[in-house]
Amino acid sequence: QVQLVQSGAEVKKPGASVKVSCKASGYIFTNFGISWVRQAPGQGLEWMGWISAYNGNTKYAQKFQGRVTVTTDTSTSTAYMELRGLRSDDTAVYYCVRDLGYFDHWGQGTLVTVSS
Amino acid sequence: EMVMTQSPATLSVSPGERATLSCRASQSVGSSLAWYQQKPGQAPRLLIYGASTRATGIPARFSGGGSGTEFTLTISSLQSEDFAVYYCQQYNNWPLFGGGTKVEIK
Repeated sequence: QVQLVQSGAEVKKPGASVKVSCKASGYIFTNFGISWVRQAPGQGLEWMGWISAYNGNTKYAQKFQGRVTVTTDTSTSTAYMELRGLRSDDTAVYYCVRDLGYFDHWGQGTLVTVSS
Repeated sequence: EMVMTQSPATLSVSPGERATLSCRASQSVGSSLAWYQQKPGQAPRLLIYGASTRATGIPARFSGGGSGTEFTLTISSLQSEDFAVYYCQQYNNWPLFGGGTKVEIK
């Protein structure tokens, strides 16, 4: 069965960077894209960016351009999301999702807390 | 700039009743519309894609309709496990979610 397993919770100080991993299994990794979606406490869902696991092409939401980088390691079927210049309003649960345009499988989420 | 608007923000429904949720796009997205269900402390779950196709394992009481700019999600007879927050998402252009509708017990 398709599974996306993410790395554990992180606590970071303002200005720091965080890198979240997402290990895929149960399907051919390079056949699908991966997107990253975040959810601030008590808020809705926000798409951040996408990567083709086939050729590494990326697309980012304008809001995060220059601050986020999404990568993959096809040898381990793992996707990564790095967010730099963290602020308190980046405190959120970050999800990786298998991307068919719509998102048919979700990781369990990684809570990133930004606090001084 | 594309905007996705869901209404109502909160829907109070008794178990066994029918619930109809709305999602409006500020410009046409064709049939590139998905619906998700999210329960507290859980990741969202895909319910509907292509505006009206149920995802694998989704009960028949969930149905989606509409095209262009107006979409609906109907739950024909609410079960206890259906009380949750529902989000629509367009994928005609880059992904964008609506603000969500909370379905609560009346």
